[in-house]
Amino acid sequence: GQQLNQSPQSMFIQEGEDVSMNCTSSSIFNTWLWYKQDPGEGPVLLIALYKAGELTSNGRLTAQFGITRKDSFLNISASIPSDVGIYFCAGGGSNYKLTFGKGTLLTVNP
Amino acid sequence: DAGVTQSPTHLIKTRGQQVTLRCSPKSGHDTVSWYQQALGQGPQFIFQYYEEEERQRGNFPDRFSGHQFPNYSSELNVNALLLGDSALYLCASSLALSNYEQYFGPGTRLTVT
Repeated sequence: GQQLNQSPQSMFIQEGEDVSMNCTSSSIFNTWLWYKQDPGEGPVLLIALYKAGELTSNGRLTAQFGITRKDSFLNISASIPSDVGIYFCAGGGSNYKLTFGKGTLLTVNP
Repeated sequence: DAGVTQSPTHLIKTRGQQVTLRCSPKSGHDTVSWYQQALGQGPQFIFQYYEEEERQRGNFPDRFSGHQFPNYSSELNVNALLLGDSALYLCASSLALSNYEQYFGPGTRLTVT
């Protein structure tokens, strides 16, 4: 099935650094969402975006809905060890399903 | 406020068998979606249930079927299991009016041998 192009695939950073990751698609989406998944758990919703150009924050996390509606970005500021996990982007179109990326594995060295 | 719950946590089945997975949505939610997550991949949409009917289906064969009950809980059934069906099966619940804000359960890890 279709998956979004998410990059980078993995990141190794030092505690306190900022992180940026992005997600692109060949299709337009009406909604972009970002999830975090820890080992053995289900994805946890971090941020939902509903309008092209929208910039939304949730604590140290900031996400943007691209103007073309074909991409989205997630930034994490001042990373901490508990930020470790897999971050997924997901797009929602005119149907009811979410289409996910393959994820970005984030490792934070204390 | 109870979140999405799924049972069982883990399951081991033999090729050719049938399996039923269960999901209870987050309190107040009326819509349930099912996803398959293979190792190293993002979740893949199987189908969504609303008002006890299948509202949308992804690219999965008819061996995958589901049901939603009047209390909004749901079951996923998979017949004639294949080795490739081994995956984490995730249930997500949402409100029909804000459907894309889907909240996931912990998943059921299915292993087919």
